[in-house]
Amino acid sequence: EPEVTQTPSHQVTQMGQEVILRCVPISNHLYFYWYRQILGQKVEFLVSFYNNEISEKSEIFDDQFSVERPDGSNFTLKIRSTKLEDSAMYFCASSQLRTAQETQYFGPGTRLLVL
Amino acid sequence: SQQGEEDPQALSIQEGENATMNCSYKTSINNLQWYRQNSGRGLVHLILIRSNEREKHSGRLRVTLDTSKKSSSLLITASRAADTASYFCATDAGGQNFVFGPGTRLSVLP
Repeated sequence: EPEVTQTPSHQVTQMGQEVILRCVPISNHLYFYWYRQILGQKVEFLVSFYNNEISEKSEIFDDQFSVERPDGSNFTLKIRSTKLEDSAMYFCASSQLRTAQETQYFGPGTRLLVL
Repeated sequence: SQQGEEDPQALSIQEGENATMNCSYKTSINNLQWYRQNSGRGLVHLILIRSNEREKHSGRLRVTLDTSKKSSSLLITASRAADTASYFCATDAGGQNFVFGPGTRLSVLP
């Protein structure tokens, strides 16, 4: 069964450094998402992406964040200058359609630790 | 703001018992989904129920939806130790993202 994959599974970085989290969505999916989950808290939406542009973003997704689909398979989240509070599990998700009936399939996550 | 809230926050049961988790939300939705998350792992989609549906089954899972009360329940029958995880409801009101609740931590004791 096709699945969303994410790399790396864990990333440790120094405050102020840039990180890029990578995702490979399910191949025939057209909509891509990033969510994050701070330890012990709920899953929060960051951004959705379709047709090579951001279609929706939350308040969390400020100028420090950017997303890109550099090729036909990868979908990346870049944090330009990491802060301590960016430490969280970051989940990528994809869906085939944008309708309200559609399931979003989540990857296993990247655990980011900012020191 | 629209938000799913699960209760209880934590539930501990014996293997073989049934586990019921509830989710309440604030605004109208198009669908509601339940996800499972094993400790430190990704989210696994369990079941989607549309706003015009009242009940749905998948294996040992039974989900109900009451749009008049803005609530949903997830029932796991004949629980197993492997069902130990956090369970989240996620609601969608027509936007592109889901709003997740804080989850119910289920512990199934052997």
